[in-house]
Amino acid sequence: DTGVSQNPRHKITKRGQNVTFRCDPISEHNRLYWYRQTLGQGPEFLTYFQNEAQLEKSRLLSDRFSAERPKGSFSTLEIQRTEQGDSAMYLCASSSTDGTQYFGPGTRLLVL
Amino acid sequence: QQQVKQSPQSLIVQKGGISIINCAYENTAFDYFPWYQQFPGKGPALLIAIRPDVSEKKEGRFTISFNKSAKQFSLHIMDSQPGDSATYFCAASLMNTGFQKLVFGTGTRLLVSP
Repeated sequence: DTGVSQNPRHKITKRGQNVTFRCDPISEHNRLYWYRQTLGQGPEFLTYFQNEAQLEKSRLLSDRFSAERPKGSFSTLEIQRTEQGDSAMYLCASSSTDGTQYFGPGTRLLVL
Repeated sequence: QQQVKQSPQSLIVQKGGISIINCAYENTAFDYFPWYQQFPGKGPALLIAIRPDVSEKKEGRFTISFNKSAKQFSLHIMDSQPGDSATYFCAASLMNTGFQKLVFGTGTRLLVSP
């Protein structure tokens, strides 16, 4: 499968714990995006990488959130001290320079 | 100004009918308008997209109609099938900038009855 992959697909954690998600983009894509989707809503932009550089962050990305793409390939999104309001589907998308974004299956997070 | 408004919230169409979903945007700088299809528990899948230099684009049973002056665009699904039952999202972005953040509508839940 040459699409965008995300791991884990599901994560249940207790409030206050840290969680980390991984995204592997389509191999030739240099642009990587993270979005968050809550139930019944459209995805909302969180952050964007071009190669290894994080070029844009939404104000939705509080200090508890950090994203990295160390070698310009896979990316990780970490949430520290999780809160119940962090429960959502976290989506990763990648694109080449033409900008057409292809999404992964998402990681569904439930914070108890 | 960054919002994209989508309607209806839900839609029931009989098999073989036409499904129509509408979106409106405010930011006239938007220059790329894709539609995504999402099944439960899956990520959004790109269906069809249009640039504002054309008024219509057709791919198979799916057509986007674009009205630049009204700042509106719509998705038409011809000969709707039960397998089309999913949530559809319109989106908009600025393709000609350094990055293309997608701004999504709130989604339309389509049910095609057999």
